[in-house]
Amino acid sequence: GAVVSQHPSWVICKSGTSVKIECRSLDFQATTMFWYRQFPKQSLMLMATSNEGSKATYEQGVEKDKFLINHASLTLSTLTVTSAHPEDSSFYICSARSDRARNTEAFFGQGTRLTVV
Amino acid sequence: GDSVTQMEGPVTLSEEAFLTINCTYTATGYPSLFWYVQYPGEGLQLLLKATKADDKGSNKGFEATYRKETTSFHLEKGSVQVSDSAVYFCALSGYQAGTALIFGKGTTLSVSS
Repeated sequence: GAVVSQHPSWVICKSGTSVKIECRSLDFQATTMFWYRQFPKQSLMLMATSNEGSKATYEQGVEKDKFLINHASLTLSTLTVTSAHPEDSSFYICSARSDRARNTEAFFGQGTRLTVV
Repeated sequence: GDSVTQMEGPVTLSEEAFLTINCTYTATGYPSLFWYVQYPGEGLQLLLKATKADDKGSNKGFEATYRKETTSFHLEKGSVQVSDSAVYFCALSGYQAGTALIFGKGTTLSVSS
């Protein structure tokens, strides 16, 4: 099956700094990627839909100036957590899905554990 | 709008027990249905899927049948193993291609030997 690679798998940063997370689709072109956040023992919360070559679409309640998404190519989307604070500590997961048919599955990255100290 | 409801856990079983995790959905049209599994500290992996009514998805001993009349997609396994301990998510795809899957809240399964 298709592979989505997410990097880094974990990162620790100081409060006030920015962190970039990369998500690559390795064997198919993903015009659309998705970014999720997951709190411990909770479900996935969709943060935004990343569209290649255009602005991301953010879900209600997600600060677009804090969580910057760039989808510069058909195989790469990045999420930058700006001015990170301890409350941003979480597990972030990206996903890619072909838009050729509505019955295709989504492929997920390995996730990034962000800890802000 | 479209939604997925799955049984809340945790589900605790002994090895070789029978597993059922209930999942029901609400959707317009004819969604595709999926079960994903998440092991600790990892992303989600597709476990199985079904794209039309009466389809049965199966993988690694797990099965789920797309029941349109009951709008359900229950996950079953005849004999669980300790290695099956994980969080299981039921999901559906909406009418429009390329949109995010809609997930249930997840069910934690813990299997003891």
